Amino acid sequence: QQQVKQSPQSLIVQKGGISIINCAYENTAFDYFPWYQQFPGKGPALLIAIRPDVSEKKEGRFTISFNKSAKQFSLHIMDSQPGDSATYFCAASMDGSEKLVFGKGTKLTVNP
Amino acid sequence: NAGVTQTPKFQVLKTGQSMTLQCAQDMNHEYMSWYRQDPGMGLRLIHYSVGAGITDQGEVPNGYNVSRSTTEDFPLRLLSAAPSQTSVYFCASSYRQVGGYTFGSGTRLTVV
Repeated sequence: QQQVKQSPQSLIVQKGGISIINCAYENTAFDYFPWYQQFPGKGPALLIAIRPDVSEKKEGRFTISFNKSAKQFSLHIMDSQPGDSATYFCAASMDGSEKLVFGKGTKLTVNP
Repeated sequence: NAGVTQTPKFQVLKTGQSMTLQCAQDMNHEYMSWYRQDPGMGLRLIHYSVGAGITDQGEVPNGYNVSRSTTEDFPLRLLSAAPSQTSVYFCASSYRQVGGYTFGSGTRLTVV
């Protein structure tokens, strides 16, 4: 049973465009939702994270939008750059637990 | 400050062989975990530990053993390697979700 569903599997965006990656979850006990960025040959690295008490969190060109009622959250990358080309994973965990459940990942390609 | 160190980076095993993947962190993190990453499958949790002497199973524990005798080290043992265990293995550590997970650079394992 996949607890966090991520879409799309792959995404191609032109430089300067907006990249949008979506995730949905079923377990209402989840209360921590991070996004990780992974470059080829490297381990994932934390990009940005949100908790359900806010609907949006922005850090530079990266924004998480959170819809608690729909049990969905998304990553928006504004002004996408070729250097943003990577695989992005959404994840979720429950309060008091360090155990993260990951989505299957989205491979983003930003064309110059 | 090395973060999370995984060794070896690459390994080829024959079916039936055993081996230990090493993981060490120098951040005094309580929580450590092992994930495997397969194409299209995302990151799946194998085993995790919330502190020295405490381990538990994740989503895909079969064929793997772990132990946590110190805060710093969390080795993953393959008991009898099978081709289905061909994967990239990541070790990660964290401290109460503060700053998210820190991942190692991975071990690429091929079982022939």
